[in-house]
Formats: sequence, structure tokens, C-alpha cells
Amino acid sequence: AQSVSQHNHHVILSEAASLELGCNYSYGGTVNLFWYVQYPGQHLQLLLKYFSGDPLVKGIKGFEAEFIKSKFSFNLRKPSVQWSDTAEYFCAVRKEYGNKLVFGAGTILRVKS
Amino acid sequence: EAEVAQSPRYKITEKSQAVAFWCDPISGHATLYWYRQILGQGPELLVQFQDESVVDDSQLPKDRFSAERLKGVDSTLKIQPAELGDSAMYLCASSPREREEGEQYFGPGTRLTVT
Repeated sequence: AQSVSQHNHHVILSEAASLELGCNYSYGGTVNLFWYVQYPGQHLQLLLKYFSGDPLVKGIKGFEAEFIKSKFSFNLRKPSVQWSDTAEYFCAVRKEYGNKLVFGAGTILRVKS
Repeated sequence: EAEVAQSPRYKITEKSQAVAFWCDPISGHATLYWYRQILGQGPELLVQFQDESVVDDSQLPKDRFSAERLKGVDSTLKIQPAELGDSAMYLCASSPREREEGEQYFGPGTRLTVT
């Protein structure tokens, strides 16, 4: 079965530190890739997505993610985090067009001010 | 900005009781999803509707869970009887008629506690 692995469940960083959250998936075919974020007290919302083309995608609030097909990875990065980035981040994978979204377990990021 | 509405936000029920959750998707969104999120895990799809038709309910425990979207707009998810293991967040999401780059918009969820 298709699965999504997020490497760290909890990450604590100081403001201005760089962030990289790992995501690996198990499906070998064509996939669509997503990062969702849930800020405290808010809904899940889309941070960025990859369907095709340039494997480096840019999302909202300065986040970016790189799709490395050979590594089945879609890691999320931000060069300098802010206290307001404290949230839970979910990687999600969809196998081909129209199939269901499979989520990773999530990474809770806490940014210390 | 249009949002997915869910109610109730919180529900506490005793084991073996029936519970129901309601979702109103963003107006015009043809696709509606119900997810269950157990603490410490990511959301898991329970059922997907395209208009009023079920597209995927492979992960729905059909002996106790049911879902309907009779007029292709709002939807109800029911559990009867509830079990302790059903304690979780139940999320509803919607997306426009399926297209290649369709984004799913999530509601605030209903947190269910079964005692």
C-alpha cells in the first residue's frame, strides 16, 4: 500500500534558523505531492504542491519544496523561520489524477522567539 | 473568504451511542471528503463523494459508519454504535469538480471523544 513517511515528529528551532522537513513516499509511479500546514487553532491549509515541471516549487510564506524522483522525496525548506511558523506540517501524496490523498503523520514545528 | 463549515466542533458521547457530524462544503464544490485523524497521525480518508455519489469508501468501517450527501451539497457522517477507538478528529474537505490541480479545502473538524 502507498505510504508517506515524515522523518521527525517534533522539531524545535530558534527564530532565523533554517528548516528542512523530510518526506518520503513509497509509490513508484506518477504522483502529485503536497505540503499542508495547520497553525494553532486553524484549519489545515495548502502550503504548496507539485504536479509536474520544475522540481523546486515555491509556496506561501517563503516555503519551498524540492521533488527528487530518484529518492522518492519531497522535502520542505525555509531559509529562516519565524515564530509565526509554529505549526504542524503534513506531507501528502496523491497517486495519479483523481486518486485519494495519503497523508504522513505530521511534523510539529515549534519556533522559539 | 468561503470556508467549509462543520458542526458540532466538539462531541462527547458514551460507548454504544449514535453520533452524527455535519459538513457544508464551499458553494459549488462538487467533491466532498470525510477524513478521520487520530491523535499523532495524519488524516485518513474515510469516504469521498462526487456530487451525491460515493467515489471511494474503501476505508469506511461500514458495519458502524455511514455517510450520505443526498442532494450533492451538504453531508452527514454517522457512527452507530460508537466505540472507544472512534475517538478522533473528523475532518471534512471539499474541492471543485475534479481537475488535475484541484486543491482540497478543509473545515475546522469535529473532535469526538467516546467515553
